[in-house]
Amino acid sequence: DIQMTQSPASLSASLEEIVTITCQASQDIGNWLAWYQQKPGKSPQLLIYGATSLADGVPSRFSGSRSGTQYSLKISRLQVEDIGIYYCQQASSAPTFGGGTKLELK
Amino acid sequence: QVKLLQSGAALVKPGASVKMSCKASGYTFTDYWVSWVKQSHGKSLEWIGEIYPNSGATNFNEKFKGKATLTVDKSTSTAYMELSRLTSEDSAIYYCTRSAAPYWYFDFWGPGTMVTVSS
Repeated sequence: DIQMTQSPASLSASLEEIVTITCQASQDIGNWLAWYQQKPGKSPQLLIYGATSLADGVPSRFSGSRSGTQYSLKISRLQVEDIGIYYCQQASSAPTFGGGTKLELK
Repeated sequence: QVKLLQSGAALVKPGASVKMSCKASGYTFTDYWVSWVKQSHGKSLEWIGEIYPNSGATNFNEKFKGKATLTVDKSTSTAYMELSRLTSEDSAIYYCTRSAAPYWYFDFWGPGTMVTVSS
């Protein structure tokens, strides 16, 4: 199985701040990477696919990038509705998810 | 609009089985894979497996082979997952979700079915 290691496990940030979450793949997955947001008591929602492509309806303050086997999700200006848990997921082989990053307001 | 409607919460005894449903609407059911994802309390997500309604073809996470059985009823656009020989480790929320072949990107999710295994 391909392991996805997310960091940090939790993050506290202020409104309008830039937030970056990273995900390290245990082997080469190319651009087969997605990011999801999960709000409390809700299902995950697709944010980014193909490492850098924005899913339909997702605000442009979200962006994804890749450097080798490290992937990043960036929120350019944190909003209150962005609070939740973020997961990366590799889509290169049988899907596996990162451990999650809990994003809270400072 | 795309919707995945899942069956309600279940309380089941250890050793028993449970079957849950996922009714799709708003899209052509046979054009997308349906996957099932497990989320144990306070934990991350695990992909269980997937089924292609058009053919009934399935793929599984090795960990869930023998545990999960996936089926569909094309006439009602409903996917089913049955979990057998339940233990406390199977207590979790189970989501159904869809993806467009050949990509494992899950663009719509059901609200989840909570399964509690307890005597």
